[in-house]
Amino acid sequence: EDKVVQSPLSLVVHEGDTVTLNCSYEVTNFRSLLWYKQEKKAPTFLFMLTSSGIEKKSGRLSSILDKKELFSILNITATQTGDSAVYLCAVLLNNNDMRFGAGTRLTVKP
Amino acid sequence: KAGVTQTPRYLIKTRGQQVTLSCSPISGHRSVSWYQQTPGQGLQFLFEYFSETQRNKGNFPGRFSGRQFSNSRSEMNVSTLELGDSALYLCASSLLPSGGYNEQFFGPGTRLTVL
Repeated sequence: EDKVVQSPLSLVVHEGDTVTLNCSYEVTNFRSLLWYKQEKKAPTFLFMLTSSGIEKKSGRLSSILDKKELFSILNITATQTGDSAVYLCAVLLNNNDMRFGAGTRLTVKP
Repeated sequence: KAGVTQTPRYLIKTRGQQVTLSCSPISGHRSVSWYQQTPGQGLQFLFEYFSETQRNKGNFPGRFSGRQFSNSRSEMNVSTLELGDSALYLCASSLLPSGGYNEQFFGPGTRLTVL
């Protein structure tokens, strides 16, 4: 059965800290991996990763995929209270189905 | 540019009833995907429509169905509601189908409560 596992499930840090969120997967017919940030209601898209070893960067956020070891990490540097959210990892399969992880709840304290 | 809109925002139904949710994608987007989010199961993919055709379907019973109109607006229908159908139903639109490596934009969701 396809599965996506995120760790940790929750994390509390202070402003200015750097965090690393993990996403591992075991799926058949992998196509790409996506990261989303969900604050209150709807998730917002962060990154889509399809190739190993190529880092994607957006401001203080960056992400990379390792297709050999079947995982991805999402890094957030110099965290701010506005980064507090649930971060979701999802894997898009070749049949266009998507599998989501349970999410990591990040709390950034002032 | 207006974002993805979903109506209604909140719904309360009783077991056995049916419900129809609506999603209007961003103008120009032709792909609409539906997701169910519950505390226990997290976010789960329901189905995706592109150009009025269902492209793929997640692992949900036949009580869950949908359709897409020529203007790309989509509706999702759940028949014979069960308590476990209580969830936040999210719709997301994108310019191309999900395999087209393009960003999805989510709507605010419809919170369905089944009593």
